[in-house]
Formats: sequence, C-alpha cells, structure tokens
Amino acid sequence: GNSVTQMEGPVTLSEEAFLTINCTYTATGYPSLFWYVQYPGEGLQLLLKATKADDKGSNKGFEATYRKETTSFHLEKGSVQVSDSAVYFCALARIQGAQKLVFGQGTRLTINP
Amino acid sequence: GAVVSQHPSWVICKSGTSVKIECRSLDFQATTMFWYRQFPKQSLMLMATSNEGSKATYEQGVEKDKFLINHASLTLSTLTVTSAHPEDSSFYICSAREPPGNEQYFGPGTRLTVT
Repeated sequence: GNSVTQMEGPVTLSEEAFLTINCTYTATGYPSLFWYVQYPGEGLQLLLKATKADDKGSNKGFEATYRKETTSFHLEKGSVQVSDSAVYFCALARIQGAQKLVFGQGTRLTINP
Repeated sequence: GAVVSQHPSWVICKSGTSVKIECRSLDFQATTMFWYRQFPKQSLMLMATSNEGSKATYEQGVEKDKFLINHASLTLSTLTVTSAHPEDSSFYICSAREPPGNEQYFGPGTRLTVT
C-alpha cells in the first residue's frame, strides 16, 4: 500500500544550523508529495509540494526535491531560525484529484537561540 | 488565505455520551472536507471524506455508525462521536478543499478526552 516514513524526532538544532528531515515513500503510480508544518496551537499548513519526479518545491527557505529513483522527498533548509520550531509532516496524495493524503508520523523540530 | 476553524478546541465527556465537533471554512466554500484522527506521536489517519449534500465516504476500518459525519452546507461539516468510549480519546482534525484546486486547508484540531 501507500505509506510515508519520515525521520523520527525530536530534532533539536541551534539557530543557523543546516536542517535535513528525511522522508521516503512507498506508492503505486506517481503520487504528489508534500511537506506540511504545524506551529504550536495552529492547524497544518502546506509548506511546499512537488507533483512529478525531479520537481523541487521551495518556500520560506525550505526545499525538497522529488527523487523517484530513491523514493525520497527530504526537507532541507540552509540556516534555521527559532521561528522554524514546529512539527513537520511529509505526505503523499494517494489518489490524484481526490487528494487523499497519507501522512508520515511527523518530526518535531526545536531550534535553540 | 483560506481559514478553517474547529469547535470546540477541546472537550471532555463521559463514557456513553455523544460529542459533536464542528468544522467550518470561514472565507471560502468547501465542496469537500476531510476528517482525520491523530494519536500521540503518530501520523494523521484519514477517517472519512465528506462531500456537501451527499453521504460521507469512510476509510476501511472506520465505523460509520460510530463516527457520524454530516456536510449539510458548503461551509460546515460535523463529526459526531456516538456512545463515546475512552479508546475514542484522540485529536480530531478536519480539512477543507477549496475548488477548483486540490489543496487542503486544515483546522487547528479538537482534542477529545472520554472519561
């Protein structure tokens, strides 16, 4: 079946450090891939997405590249800030059009000043 | 941007009672809404897809008589947990899709505790 596995947390980094959160997926066909972020007390927000192989999604300094050969969609940021502290979810769209999302378990990121 | 609200944000109820959770799209009309359940330190699990004016489509393993979903208008969907038991305690999250795109906008979630 379709599934998403992401790096277990929690992850704690210092400000300005380089961030990588790993995400791999198993899917039939060619899913769309997403990263969502959940700040404390708020709902999930779409951070970035990629809809086909080799696409790179980017937003707010975060990037992720859709790698079909390694079935991965790792999230990266070159220099994190305290305000990036949140829970990050990797997800795939299970059925095109209906956009049924399958989520990874989430990674809690804490950035210390 | 598109905003989705949920009410209540948290609720405590006694075993055997029913609880209704509301999901509203505040500044757009949502033909489709989704209900998810999240256990501590686990991912969101899709429970059902709700289309305005029609019956909800439940995911495998989700009891439709236990989790009643109503999507009576383009801005409101409700989830009623009937005859709640402690094992129903969880974080329930809804999302709404604004046509014509496919992006889902998520509510902040409702924490249900059944005692």
